[in-house]
Amino acid sequence: SQTIHQWPATLVQPVGSPLSLECTVEGTSNPNLYWYRQAAGRGLQLLFYSVGIGQISSEVPQNLSASRPQDRQFILSSKKLLLSDSGFYLCAWRRQGETQYFGPGTRLLVL
Amino acid sequence: GENVEQHPSTLSVQEGDSAVIKCTYSDSASNYFPWYKQELGKRPQLIIDIRSNVGEKKDQRIAVTLNKTAKHFSLHITETQPEDSAVYFCAASKGQAGTALIFGKGTTLSVSS
Repeated sequence: SQTIHQWPATLVQPVGSPLSLECTVEGTSNPNLYWYRQAAGRGLQLLFYSVGIGQISSEVPQNLSASRPQDRQFILSSKKLLLSDSGFYLCAWRRQGETQYFGPGTRLLVL
Repeated sequence: GENVEQHPSTLSVQEGDSAVIKCTYSDSASNYFPWYKQELGKRPQLIIDIRSNVGEKKDQRIAVTLNKTAKHFSLHITETQPEDSAVYFCAASKGQAGTALIFGKGTTLSVSS
């Protein structure tokens, strides 16, 4: 069966520090991968998605970036965090036209 | 791009009552409409979905209806229970490779006993 992992589970970072969040999927190949952000008490904002290695589509211009160095690995990064980057970051995977599954999420607090 | 509107933002019902959440979408090419339930501090979990070739789908106490002409779809929960309390999200997407699910802003459902 398929499994999606995210780490770390929680993170507290100072403003201006870098960020790297990792997501990996097991048990499938060529998945579509997605990063969403959820601010406290808010909806799911699509940040990036990827249909293959090295292919990244950005939905929202901001100080975040994403990379897909391997088929089942998706990384979210920032060079300098802002207070507004705080939130719950969810990675998700999906095969074309099929159900989308979310990872357990990373809770980020920027102070 | 696709835009999904969801109403109401909050919904309070008594245990045993029915709950209805409605969503509208903007892109007539969208053909897949899932609903997710998110409990506090947890990841969203799929509870039911419907494709554009079907008008209604049921799974025990949960049902979803789709009106392609009006571009809206609804979640119906019957005989609500306290454990149904959560945030519910609707979403829409097209079938092309790589297209993402676009989510509504969510509905906080509270079921009181």
